[in-house]
Amino acid sequence: TAGITQAPTSQILAAGRSMTLRCTQDMRHNAMYWYRQDLGLGLRLIHYSNTAGTTGKGEVPDGYSVSRANTDDFPLTLASAVPSQTSVYFCASSGDRGYGYTFGSGTRLTVV
Amino acid sequence: GQQLNQSPQSMFIQEGEDVSMNCTSSSIFNTWLWYKQDPGEGPVLLIALYKAGELTSNGRLTAQFGTTRKDSFLNISASIPSDVGIYFCAGAGQGAQKLVFGQGTRLTINP
Repeated sequence: TAGITQAPTSQILAAGRSMTLRCTQDMRHNAMYWYRQDLGLGLRLIHYSNTAGTTGKGEVPDGYSVSRANTDDFPLTLASAVPSQTSVYFCASSGDRGYGYTFGSGTRLTVV
Repeated sequence: GQQLNQSPQSMFIQEGEDVSMNCTSSSIFNTWLWYKQDPGEGPVLLIALYKAGELTSNGRLTAQFGTTRKDSFLNISASIPSDVGIYFCAGAGQGAQKLVFGQGTRLTINP
């Protein structure tokens, strides 16, 4: 089934450690996004990529980095995790600018 | 930046009741979308609206693009247990490259 695959599904990470959340799509969508979801705050954009080779900062980019080496993959890296990065992370993609995002199933990250 | 205010934040209703929620923006949007998130899953697109005043249905769901282009409404008729979840509005303004999401409405249904 076409869509977005995120890995891992969940992770417990010690503060100060680094981690990369993986996201792969098979729909050949140009744009990809990383959101974090926190109770009462909805979905907040961390980073985005309009096309392979380009990335941009979203609403809450600090502490995160991304790369877009090809169309299909958009990994999110936490260089040195802090407890405030405990959240559920969603990757999404879209074929049209601003419309009809497809979301992955999320990665639940707990930083202790 | 653009912001969306979604209300209510949560709803507790009886099965069979109708549900209404809305979203307002501080600026004009050209596109409004409504998503539903089931527990443990990512949001899934329910309805997309592209024109001011547009009224679109998807089964028991009806959404409207407000005539001021600064708001949108979602109604669910005759709620059933599988309607439980979090509903998000999202919008994009003219020339915007990314969607802006509301804070979500958590719907709980008592059987």
